[in-house]
Amino acid sequence: GDKVKQSPSALSLQEGTNSALRCNFSIAATTVQWFLQNPRGSLINLFYLVPGTKENGRLKSAFDSKESYSTLHIRDAQLEDSGTYFCAARLYQGGRALIFGTGTTVSVSP
Amino acid sequence: EAAVTQSPRNKVTVTGGNVTLSCRQTNSHNYMYWYRQDTGHGLRLIHYSYGAGNLQIGDVPDGYKATRTTQEDFFLLLELASPSQTSLYFCASSWDNYAEQFFGPGTRLTVL
Repeated sequence: GDKVKQSPSALSLQEGTNSALRCNFSIAATTVQWFLQNPRGSLINLFYLVPGTKENGRLKSAFDSKESYSTLHIRDAQLEDSGTYFCAARLYQGGRALIFGTGTTVSVSP
Repeated sequence: EAAVTQSPRNKVTVTGGNVTLSCRQTNSHNYMYWYRQDTGHGLRLIHYSYGAGNLQIGDVPDGYKATRTTQEDFFLLLELASPSQTSLYFCASSWDNYAEQFFGPGTRLTVL
């Protein structure tokens, strides 16, 4: 089954609104990364987290290792926020691999 | 800014063809990785390395070889390409295996 499950799979936002993406892990995770894949296909690093919270501009991310989930909050969505967001985690029983979720596709419209 | 570059950016080959994808990092990172990305699967790890001459098997290694010639350079080899290997391939690097990974721009491979 999916070790890293992302929700929702797709999201439509209006400019200026807020939203949250979630990543659930089937087993405990040690670190989490969030990426944005832009329409050209490039992966942009957003956050690298050990348990805790980080904020960067309009984006904020939290990683709760005890409850096995991570969230990414988008505040005041802009057109350039459109793309596919991936979370990836190192799982305690996942060996050394970074396990990726299947992504959340975000479309921001005017 | 740390940099991971990949070449070629696009490649088309035929079934049975021989393909080499190249990756170079100027981060002075020890670890390098090869992933493939397919619709519905996210990214999956093919092979990785923790230094020149070292190779570790990832989650989807079948049909792929890899070689790490220097700290900077990591190559992915498809010796008998098949249509199932049509995919977007990413290279990444990190300081150690628990540190943040940084990705290259990707190589789109099509096997006809």
